[in-house]
Amino acid sequence: EDQVTQSPEALRLQEGESSSLNCSYTVSGLRGLFWYRQDPGKGPEFLFTLYSAGEEKEKERLKATLTKKESFLHITAPKPEDSATYLCAVQARGNTPLVFGKGTRLSVIA
Amino acid sequence: DAGVIQSPRHEVTEMGQEVTLRCKPISGHDYLFWYRQTMMRGLELLIYFNNNVPIDDSGMPEDRFSAKMPNASFSTLKIQPSEPRDSAVYFCASTIQGGGEKLFFGSGTQLSVL
Repeated sequence: EDQVTQSPEALRLQEGESSSLNCSYTVSGLRGLFWYRQDPGKGPEFLFTLYSAGEEKEKERLKATLTKKESFLHITAPKPEDSATYLCAVQARGNTPLVFGKGTRLSVIA
Repeated sequence: DAGVIQSPRHEVTEMGQEVTLRCKPISGHDYLFWYRQTMMRGLELLIYFNNNVPIDDSGMPEDRFSAKMPNASFSTLKIQPSEPRDSAVYFCASTIQGGGEKLFFGSGTQLSVL
């Protein structure tokens, strides 16, 4: 069974304090790993797709990396507007639906 | 495009009542997914459709849940009878085949069963 575990469950940062979120996964043949952002009262919004170990993607203050067992979402010099829940999901080969982790709730304090 | 549209945004009902959630996917998208989100279990897939045909409903918790997609622009998720443990946020999402699984989510329906 495909599984995704995210840590920590919640993270509180001061503005400008860089950190990383972790996503560990087990999947029967990885097709892709996905990061989404979810704001309160809204649906998840797509951020990145990573397909192979060693791949990196960047968007503003966010950088996602991938190894054979886990992915990291690095947040550099975060701002209060980066506060959200960040969800990780995996897709196994065979065009199966995404399996999501429970997310990390990030709070950035000014 | 207006994105994925779900209604209602909030639904409060009493145990035993029938609940119907509605979803309009993005035009041209041929995959539609229903997810349920709770603090305890996170985001769980209930059922998904491809070209209006149900592909996998193994995530539907029990026979009280049913979903239909009568055409490419409309889907419903029905719970009958509803129970307090069904309280959650229900999301609909759509994507286009070959879209790298970039799912587009609606804003969800917050369901409370008293």
